Amino acid sequence: GAVVSQHPSRVICKSGTSVKIECRSLDFQATTMFWYRQFPKQSLMLMATSNEGSKATYEQGVEKDKFLINHASLTLSTLTVTSAHPEDSSFYICSAIAGEPGTTDTQYFGPGTRLTVL
Amino acid sequence: GESVGLHLPTLSVQEGDNSIINCAYSNSASDYFIWYKQESGKGPQFIIDIRSNMDKRQGQRVTVLLNKTVKHLSLQIAATQPGDSAVYFCAEGNDYKLSFGAGTTVTVRA
Repeated sequence: GAVVSQHPSRVICKSGTSVKIECRSLDFQATTMFWYRQFPKQSLMLMATSNEGSKATYEQGVEKDKFLINHASLTLSTLTVTSAHPEDSSFYICSAIAGEPGTTDTQYFGPGTRLTVL
Repeated sequence: GESVGLHLPTLSVQEGDNSIINCAYSNSASDYFIWYKQESGKGPQFIIDIRSNMDKRQGQRVTVLLNKTVKHLSLQIAATQPGDSAVYFCAEGNDYKLSFGAGTTVTVRA
C-alpha cells in the first residue's frame, strides 16, 4: 500500500517552454501532497504544500507564478514549471500523506521526475 | 534557522557488518523523526520513524535511536547487505512538514 507515482519520469524541454508533472496516490486518498526539488548530490528541498481543493502554500523563495500547483482531486496533484530555463533543471519529487491536514503522518514519496531544460 | 544535519557524508561498511548512521537535529520542538533511503535516480523510500515520546524503535534489520537530550538520531542496520548501498536521509517533522538533512552515502564492500 501507500504507492505514489509520478509522470513523466524524465522530460527534456527547450528553454522557454512549460512542463507539467503529475503526482498520483494510487491506493489511498491524499489529503496533502508535497513537492520537493533535489539538485545533484544535495538534499530534498520543500517547494510547496498542496491541499486538495485549496491553493498551494509555497516555501520562501519559491516563485508561485513559475511553479504552478494544482491539487484538483484527492489522488492527483500537478506541478507545472512555466517558462522553464536551464537553472530549473532538477529532480522533482512529490510526496503524499493520507492523514488530516495539520497532523503528522508518514510521507510516501513518488519516484521523481528528472527535468532537463536545454 | 534551525536545520537537520548529518555527522558524516559517507560511510563504507563491510558486507555483513552492522552500520550506524548518525544525525543531529537542532529543533527541539520537532516531534517526529524519519529515516529515508534513496537509491540513485529514485525517490526516497521510507525506512522507519520514531515519535519524540520514544527513544528506540525496531524494524526489520533496522533500529532507530533518539536521544532528545543531545538532539541526536541514529539508524542502525544489522548485517548490512549490498542492497543497502544508498543515500540515507534523516528528516524531522513539525506538524505535517519535513526538513531533511544532508544525507549520508553508504557503500557496502563485498
